[in-house]
This record gives sequence, structure tokens and C-alpha cells, in this order.
Amino acid sequence: GAVVSQHPSWVICKSGTSVKIECRSLDFQATTMFWYRQFPKQSLMLMATSNEGSKATYEQGVEKDKFLINHASLTLSTLTVTSAHPEDSSFYICSASSLAPLTMNTEAFFGQGTRLTVV
Amino acid sequence: RKEVEQDPGPFNVPEGATVAFNCTYSNSASQSFFWYRQDCRKEPKLLMSVYSSGNEDGRFTAQLNRASQYISLLIRDSKLSDSATYLCVVTTGGFKTIFGAGTRLFVKA
Repeated sequence: GAVVSQHPSWVICKSGTSVKIECRSLDFQATTMFWYRQFPKQSLMLMATSNEGSKATYEQGVEKDKFLINHASLTLSTLTVTSAHPEDSSFYICSASSLAPLTMNTEAFFGQGTRLTVV
Repeated sequence: RKEVEQDPGPFNVPEGATVAFNCTYSNSASQSFFWYRQDCRKEPKLLMSVYSSGNEDGRFTAQLNRASQYISLLIRDSKLSDSATYLCVVTTGGFKTIFGAGTRLFVKA
């Protein structure tokens, strides 16, 4: 299946600093990528849809100035958590969708996730 | 109403039991349906796609009822290794993927 690589897998940062998370589709072109956040014992919550070459679309309640998304190429999207605070500590996961060749269903392929801890 | 709703968990079952998860979705234009499995602190991994005709993969059977906007997953002969959170996933137009809240399964010896 398709491969999506996310980096870093974990990061600890001081409150007030910014953290950048990268998401790469390694063997396919992803015009659209998605960023999710998952708090402990909760499900994945879609934060934003990242569109190559255009502005990201943010879900309600997600601050676009705090979570900066850049999708500069067909294989790379980045999420920057600006001025991070302890409440931003979470598991962030990116995904990219691709059409499964046999079924023609869209499948989501996930990065490994980034565990962010803000101290 | 949430776009994708799942049975609340957790499900605690003994080894060898059969367990069923249900999921409903609200958008009738939804295009693709999946069950993902997520282990603690790991990313979700695709378990199986769900088709209207139903599909089976070993001990796992998935069903889709478009008229009722309902998806199910049946696990037979549960193993300890089946313990995980099972996520119902629906894809709408434009590749947008919506996750259910997940159902936690604990299989005990």
C-alpha cells in the first residue's frame, strides 16, 4: 500500500515555542492531505484539510493562526503549532488519500503520528 | 448529530467469543467505508474495506447497508491480539475522511 511518512515521531518543547511537523507521501502524489489531533482516550478529530498550492481548510474551532499548514508540493504538507501551550499536547497524525487500484475506493494512509508534549 | 457514530465501548469479551460493532453515518452521499484498527498510541491501520455485498477476511466480516446508512464489523473467535480500538471510517467527496469515536475491545484469557 501507499506510504506516508511523518516526522518527528515525538517532540518535547517549551511553552511559547513553535513546532513543525512534516508529512510526506513517499510513493504517490497527494493533492490533499489531512491533519488530525487525538487526545488521550478520544478519537481522531479532523483539524484541517491541506490542499496543495492553496490555503488549508480548517474545521470549526481550530485556530488557523495557531496551526499553520503549508502544502507546498504534491508530496509534502507541514503543520506548525505556533506558540505552543501545554493544552496543545496531543497526538497529531496526518493522512493522505489515494484511490485503491482494484476497488477504486479511496483509502486513507496515515503517518506514524507525532506525540507533542509542551512543558 | 455526529457524522459517524459508533457503539460506545468498551467491549470486554473472553477469548473465542464473537463480537459485533455497529456504526451509522449521516451523510447519504458518503462514498467509501472502512474499518480501521488503532492500537494504543499508534496510528490507525486499515483493517478492511466495507462493500454493499459484504466482505469477509478470515475471522472478520464487514457489512454495509446504504439504505439504513449502517456499517457493521463482526469478529469471530476473538484472540487476545484483537484487543484494540476499532474505528468506523467514512469517506465523502473530495477524499474527506471522517472517523467515528472508536470502540475499544478488550479480549481476555
